[in-house]
Amino acid sequence: EDKVVQSPLSLVVHEGDTVTLNCSYEVTNFRSLLWYKQEKKAPTFLFMLTSSGIEKKSGRLSSILDKKELFSILNITATQTGDSAVYLCARRPSGTYKYIFGTGTRLKVLA
Amino acid sequence: NAGVTQTPKFQVLKTGQSMTLQCAQDMNHEYMSWYRQDPGMGLRLIHYSVGAGITDQGEVPNGYNVSRSTTEDFPLRLLSAAPSQTSVYFCASSQGRVEAGELFFGEGSRLTVL
Repeated sequence: EDKVVQSPLSLVVHEGDTVTLNCSYEVTNFRSLLWYKQEKKAPTFLFMLTSSGIEKKSGRLSSILDKKELFSILNITATQTGDSAVYLCARRPSGTYKYIFGTGTRLKVLA
Repeated sequence: NAGVTQTPKFQVLKTGQSMTLQCAQDMNHEYMSWYRQDPGMGLRLIHYSVGAGITDQGEVPNGYNVSRSTTEDFPLRLLSAAPSQTSVYFCASSQGRVEAGELFFGEGSRLTVL
């Protein structure tokens, strides 16, 4: 079965902590992996990864893909309360138009 | 610059009623899709379209119909609403059918079926 598994399911940290969120998948065919942040409404785009080992970075957020080990991580350094959200990853397999989402990681950052 | 627009934002239905969730995008995107989001389940794909006149089923298509008569619009029809269809529905679009690009999401439609 082509699933996307995110861990942990939820996480509570204090401001200033660094967090690492994981996204793993089971099938090797691959077109892209995407990370989204969802607060109260629509998911907002963070990163798209297509190549293994190349880090994408935006401010305090960064992400990297490991196609050999079938996972991606999203790092957030110096967390702020505004980082509190559900973080979703999605994978689009090769040969399909379907994006498969994981269940998300709920991050809560305490002041 | 509206992006992806969904209407209505909230809807309450009785079991057996039908309704249509509207989705429109103004970015000339080929790819459009509908997801439902339930607690603990993430986003699950209902139907998608790769262009006008072309639609296909996702993971959870039962009880829903779609059509794509124009590039801009992708309505989702609930034929006979059931309580199991209580959910938040998101429409999302992407630029190309070939490129595995970013999905742009609407603000969501919260549907309650009594």
